[in-house]
This record gives sequence, structure tokens and C-alpha cells, in this order.
Amino acid sequence: EVQLVESGGGLVQPGGSLRLSCVVSGFTFSSYWMSWVRQAPGKGLEWVANIKEDGSEKYYVDSVKGRFTISRDNAKNSLYLQMNSLRGEDTAVYYCARDFRRNIDDYWGQGTLVTVSS
Amino acid sequence: DIQMTQSPSSVSASVGDRVTITCRASQGIRNWLAWYQQKPGKAPKLLIYEASSLQSGVPSRFSGSGSGTDFTLTISSLQPEDFATYYCQQANSFPRTFGQGTKLEIK
Repeated sequence: EVQLVESGGGLVQPGGSLRLSCVVSGFTFSSYWMSWVRQAPGKGLEWVANIKEDGSEKYYVDSVKGRFTISRDNAKNSLYLQMNSLRGEDTAVYYCARDFRRNIDDYWGQGTLVTVSS
Repeated sequence: DIQMTQSPSSVSASVGDRVTITCRASQGIRNWLAWYQQKPGKAPKLLIYEASSLQSGVPSRFSGSGSGTDFTLTISSLQPEDFATYYCQQANSFPRTFGQGTKLEIK
């Protein structure tokens, strides 16, 4: 059974940092691109970043470029999102997801809530 | 970025009804379109990819069509578990972008 489990969310002050983790099981992690997608409370979905199977390519939405860093550890079946200089507009549930076809995600985690507030 | 516009934003329907949701892209995306279903407090679930391919395990009452800029998701006979929010997403160009969602409610 494919499982993706996020952790690391919480309350952080504006300007602060947080590191999200996603541990996967049930598939060969090192064979898939992986993504982070977020959803602000009561809002729609926004793709944030993705990373190639071997970590050699990374892409970001403009609004997080230079502040967020996606990474992975294939030995630990883990995906990460380092979030720095956090802003109120970064408040959202963050999902990790497996890239199944070109830019399409077939498995998603349950999400972890990040709240940026003073 | 490519803008994805869904209509309607919300729709009320009854069990057994046929429902169609449309999605329009601001520029051509060939058939690189996906549809997701999301229930409150849950992660999105992939229903359709490449505009018309049914994801494994998804009931056949769901179907997708279209290419270029105009796409549709059809649910042929609504079941109680289908009441949810539906999102389209373009996968043709960077960055991938989603529609604003269509909330399907019980009449």
C-alpha cells in the first residue's frame, strides 16, 4: 500500500523557519519525481515545488523561490521542504505528492498545517 | 502562467443526476489536464489524467473529455460519495496550475 506521511507543521512567527518532512512507503521512492502542493484555508490548490528522482533538478513556484528549498533522501524514503522567511500568505496545509505522469500527482499525503502568525 | 477557469463554482444536484463541470485554459494545453476530487479535511484524489484517462480504481461513472483549451468532467449518475469539490489542473506548462474548484452539493 502506498503511503505518504507528512510531519513538521506548526505555528511559526513571520520571518521564521520550518522544515517539513514526508516519509513514503509502498513504492520505489527513488524512481519518482516528488512534489509539494499547498492549500490555504478555504482556498484552492497551489503547486509549490518538485524534485527529480535523484535530486538533480528542482523547480519552484515564483512566490517561494529563494525562500523554500526542496530536497530528498532516497536512502530514507524521505522528502523535505525547508521553509525560511515565512510570511502570512504561506499559511496552508502542505501536501507531499508523487508525480505519476508529467506534472500530475497520483498519491498524496494527508497534509500538515503550517500557520504563520505572530 | 496558464490560468484555469472552472464553471460553475458550485452546483447542487441529486443522487442519480448527471453532472458536467467545465474547465477552460487561458492557452492551449493539448490534453495535459487532470481532474481531482477533494472531500473536506482530506487530500485530493486523482480521477482523470491526460484529459480522458480514468485513474485506476476510479468508478466508470466519471469521465473526462476535451483538448486544447476546453475540457469537461462528467459524472454520469451521482452517488452520495461524489459530493465533494473538484479541481482541474493543467500539466502542460510550468508551473502547473489548478482551477479554483467546483463544489458539488446535495440538492
